[in-house]
Amino acid sequence: GESVGLHLPTLSVQEGDNSIINCAYSNSASDYFIWYKQESGKGPQFIIDIRSNMDKRQGQRVTVLLNKTVKHLSLQIAATQPGDSAVYFCAEDYQGAQKLVFGQGTRLTINP
Amino acid sequence: EPEVTQTPSHQVTQMGQEVILRCVPISNHLYFYWYRQILGQKVEFLVSFYNNEISEKSEIFDDQFSVERPDGSNFTLKIRSTKLEDSAMYFCASSEGWQPQHFGDGTRLSIL
Repeated sequence: GESVGLHLPTLSVQEGDNSIINCAYSNSASDYFIWYKQESGKGPQFIIDIRSNMDKRQGQRVTVLLNKTVKHLSLQIAATQPGDSAVYFCAEDYQGAQKLVFGQGTRLTINP
Repeated sequence: EPEVTQTPSHQVTQMGQEVILRCVPISNHLYFYWYRQILGQKVEFLVSFYNNEISEKSEIFDDQFSVERPDGSNFTLKIRSTKLEDSAMYFCASSEGWQPQHFGDGTRLSIL
């Protein structure tokens, strides 16, 4: 079949506001989740991770929330800055296989 | 901060030719990975490598692909006979333990 590019969901926020990026994961057996930031021309950069025995984890300006009931993951970025502009990917590890399954990504743009 | 380095940043190769992509993982890491990202699409897992052997591979990683850790620092991905559809960004990643995986900035492979 023909490959087509994905239309990335886009989130635009005002500088200084909080950003919330959502992700639905596919496998109820996944027990590890991770968020990456990808800037243009760069590789995915680790932001924060969470294991399935937790529902919330905080880092510096970032919080990840996990809702296993509805298989939903979110990334909250506090006081969004211009440097936060990037594509954000969630990924899940399926049954500890160490092969990350990536979501489609969300493009975050910051309005001055 | 230690990082994964990949060379070359861009590789142009004629269809049918062999190509070797090189990676230097973070020095104390024990687990190594290759992923690829076709333009505009998701990051896809190719292979994981631990203790000098493949631990997991995807359907994409067919007989045309191979990985090697030739010495104590390098980790390579070889594509034996390249096809047009192999054109993509190829990312190397490494992890100290099971997770998190840290990615390099990738090699852009263009097949003509």
